[in-house]
Amino acid sequence: KAGVTQTPRYLIKTRGQQVTLSCSPISGHRSVSWYQQTPGQGLQFLFEYFSETQRNKGNFPGRFSGRQFSNSRSEMNVSTLELGDSALYLCASSLAGEGYNEQFFGPGTRLTVL
Amino acid sequence: AQSVTQLGSHVSVSEGALVLLRCNYSSSVPPYLFWYVQYPNQGLQLLLKYTSAATLVKGINGFEAEFKKSETSFHLTKPSAHMSDAAEYFCAVRTPLATGNQFYFGTGTSLTVIP
Repeated sequence: KAGVTQTPRYLIKTRGQQVTLSCSPISGHRSVSWYQQTPGQGLQFLFEYFSETQRNKGNFPGRFSGRQFSNSRSEMNVSTLELGDSALYLCASSLAGEGYNEQFFGPGTRLTVL
Repeated sequence: AQSVTQLGSHVSVSEGALVLLRCNYSSSVPPYLFWYVQYPNQGLQLLLKYTSAATLVKGINGFEAEFKKSETSFHLTKPSAHMSDAAEYFCAVRTPLATGNQFYFGTGTSLTVIP
């Protein structure tokens, strides 16, 4: 099975711009979660999508949004970029339901905001 | 609310020495616990997970972890460190009652292996 894929792998934007990141989960996985990873804050949970619905949301401003398509692929969007949005954005997918199902992570998208 | 505490943001061990990475959790019910490893410029990879079947869990690459309910701990160990173990390690928790798939991650421990 192919793993979780994220595109693009690297992105450079300037303040005020917006960006869209894409994630394709492992086939059969219906749950997709997004995380922001920075050296100072560790992994911060952004949101989780399941069957095209946002099921959980972390403590991030409304500039951060996401969606999931019927094929479980997910996108996240950040509008009005700030310097502090520079981070590694990780996507993770898992089977739905049972809590012991682990998350499988993609390689991440490295976003740099200048 | 759930939380995970990893004691020691940086740990250094000599090659061949014991690796001990500490993780404590807070949860009102027995949680599901996970250890992940992250190599530079990569995503996280699952090392092992506790699912209540056994308190001592064996994972990949010779790692294991023991769930101790009385201490609310899930420390990660490896008897003999190898150079390839140098990476960032994350402990994560998810309670069975949580809705959806929200994991709570610790802040990570960076492991350095000294030759």
